[in-house]
Amino acid sequence: DIQMTQSPSSLSASVGDRVTITCRASQGIRNDLDWYQQKPGKAPKRLIYTASSLQRGVPSRFSGSGSGTEFTLTISSLQPEDFATYYCLQHNSYPRTFGQGTKVEIK
Amino acid sequence: EVQLVESGGGLVKPGGSLRLSCAASGFTFSSYNMNWVRQAPGKGLEWVSLISTSSSYIYYADSVKGRFTISRDNAKNSLYLQMNSLRAEDTAVYYCVREVVDRDGYNFDHWGQGILVTVSS
Repeated sequence: DIQMTQSPSSLSASVGDRVTITCRASQGIRNDLDWYQQKPGKAPKRLIYTASSLQRGVPSRFSGSGSGTEFTLTISSLQPEDFATYYCLQHNSYPRTFGQGTKVEIK
Repeated sequence: EVQLVESGGGLVKPGGSLRLSCAASGFTFSSYNMNWVRQAPGKGLEWVSLISTSSSYIYYADSVKGRFTISRDNAKNSLYLQMNSLRAEDTAVYYCVREVVDRDGYNFDHWGQGILVTVSS
């Protein structure tokens, strides 16, 4: 099974900061990785698909990169509505696996 | 409007069984793969299982394989999860999740509100 190691588990940042979250796969998964955002009490929503494609309707301050085993989600200028928990999800093979999540909190 | 409504959760003793249901409406249920995803209290998301449109392929997380069984009834627009030999670590909110597969890959685009399963003596 493919393990997804996400880091950091939490971070504190200010509005306007650049934020980077990393996911590492235990084996190569090409670009079969998505990023989801979850706000408290809400269902997750997809931000990025196939590692670097921006979901329609998602602000361009979100971007994704990587291939193989190393992936990053970057928020170029953190906005108040971005405080949430972020998860990577690999869909290269079953069982699908999420990263452990990164909680982005207000500094 | 797409709606996914879970039911069947509750408190069960370790070793017990429970059957979750998900009633789907607002879309052609038989055209979509369906998933169960769970989230333990205060923890992250864990994918549990997938069933394809015609039940021709089914996958499970290692943590539930051999204990949980996913199924669907396309005539009733319903998804199920039979959970046997329940453990304390199965305590979680269980979400019914629709999956869209298109040129943009795989998208868990609609989630139910979730149903709490608590395994405790």
